[in-house]
Amino acid sequence: QVQLVESGGGVVQPGRSLRLSCAASGFTFKSYGMHWVRQVPGKGLEWVAVISHDGTRKFYGDSVKGRFSISRDNSKNTLYLQMNSLRVEDTAMYFCAKDLREEAYGMAVWGQGTTVTVSS
Amino acid sequence: EIVLTQSPATLSLSPGERATLSCWASQDIGSYLAWFQQKPGQAPRLLVYDASNRATGIPARFSGSGSGTDFTLTISSLEPEDFAVYYCQQRRDWPLTFGPGTKVDIK
Repeated sequence: QVQLVESGGGVVQPGRSLRLSCAASGFTFKSYGMHWVRQVPGKGLEWVAVISHDGTRKFYGDSVKGRFSISRDNSKNTLYLQMNSLRVEDTAMYFCAKDLREEAYGMAVWGQGTTVTVSS
Repeated sequence: EIVLTQSPATLSLSPGERATLSCWASQDIGSYLAWFQQKPGQAPRLLVYDASNRATGIPARFSGSGSGTDFTLTISSLEPEDFAVYYCQQRRDWPLTFGPGTKVDIK
């Protein structure tokens, strides 16, 4: 079955960097777009970024544009989110999600998330 | 950015009742709307994509409708496991955006 497992979260100081990973299994990873979505505890969902199946197209939410970078390694079935210049307001649970198709047609399957806390 | 508004914020119903959730977009998004369900401590689950297409494994009691700026998610007869928060999300334009959510709780 499709499985997505996020890792790399933790506590980091403002201004520092962190890289999240999402290990995928149970499907042909290289054929699907992948997303990152975040959620502050008790609040709503915020889309962060998407990458196309082949890594050639990437789009970002306004609040992370220029600071975060999404990438993927199709040989390792792994999605990444490089987060630089972290801010307190980036504190959230970060989910990766598999798309229905090759880019952004629908976030069909989600991982359980990894928690990022930005605090001094 | 396309803003999505959901109504009501909270819907209090009993099992077996019909639930009607609304989502409005700040501009025409065609049929590019999805609905998600999220229970406490869990990741969201895709229910409906492109306004009216049920995702794999989603029961028939969930149905989506609408186009343009007005959309509806209907749960025909609430089961105990349906009490949760529901979000709409648009893919018409970047950035992708979510609505603030509707909580369906037990009356």
